[in-house]
Amino acid sequence: KQEVTQIPAALSVPEGENLVLNCSFTDSAIYNLQWFRQDPGKGLTSLLLIQSSQREQTSGRLNASLDKSSGRSTLYIAASQPGDSATYLCAVPNDYKLSFGAGTTVTVRA
Amino acid sequence: GAGVSQSPSNKVTEKGKDVELRCDPISGHTALYWYRQSLGQGLEFLIYFQGNSAPDKSGLPSDRFSAERTGGSVSTLTIQRTQQEDSAVYLCASSLVGQGGGYTFGSGTRLTVV
Repeated sequence: KQEVTQIPAALSVPEGENLVLNCSFTDSAIYNLQWFRQDPGKGLTSLLLIQSSQREQTSGRLNASLDKSSGRSTLYIAASQPGDSATYLCAVPNDYKLSFGAGTTVTVRA
Repeated sequence: GAGVSQSPSNKVTEKGKDVELRCDPISGHTALYWYRQSLGQGLEFLIYFQGNSAPDKSGLPSDRFSAERTGGSVSTLTIQRTQQEDSAVYLCASSLVGQGGGYTFGSGTRLTVV
């Protein structure tokens, strides 16, 4: 059974600092890994999808790396802004279902 | 459509009533999922549809919950005789293939049972 862990559970930083969010998974035989953002009471917004053959993906200020062999992914958010405050979830396919981490709740202080 | 559409966005119902939640996936996406997220909790898998195959209903919490997908497109999640513990955000997602493609989630339906 795929277990996904996210560290830290919560993070508070001043505006402008870079954010580093960690995700680990127990079964390295994954097809891809996806990072999502969730605002309170809302749905999930896909941020980045990394295929198993890739080592990283970038979108604007966001960069996600993937190390399948060690079962780890890291999401970097550069020059954080108050609008980045949200919960960030990583997820990997487990058969055809998604296994989610518990998320990292980020607060960016103005 | 451009994204996964869910309706209604909010639903308040009295205990014991039946409710129907609707999901309209991205056109051409063959896989459709329902998840539930209770307050402060993680995402709980409910049901999975893939093409014309029999759905995986293994995550449905009780026989009060059922779902169907008509014509391989729109899906309806029905909760009969709602209970207060059914209060949650119900999320629908679709994907192009079962595992290789990314998942796109709708904005969810917030269900409150009073």
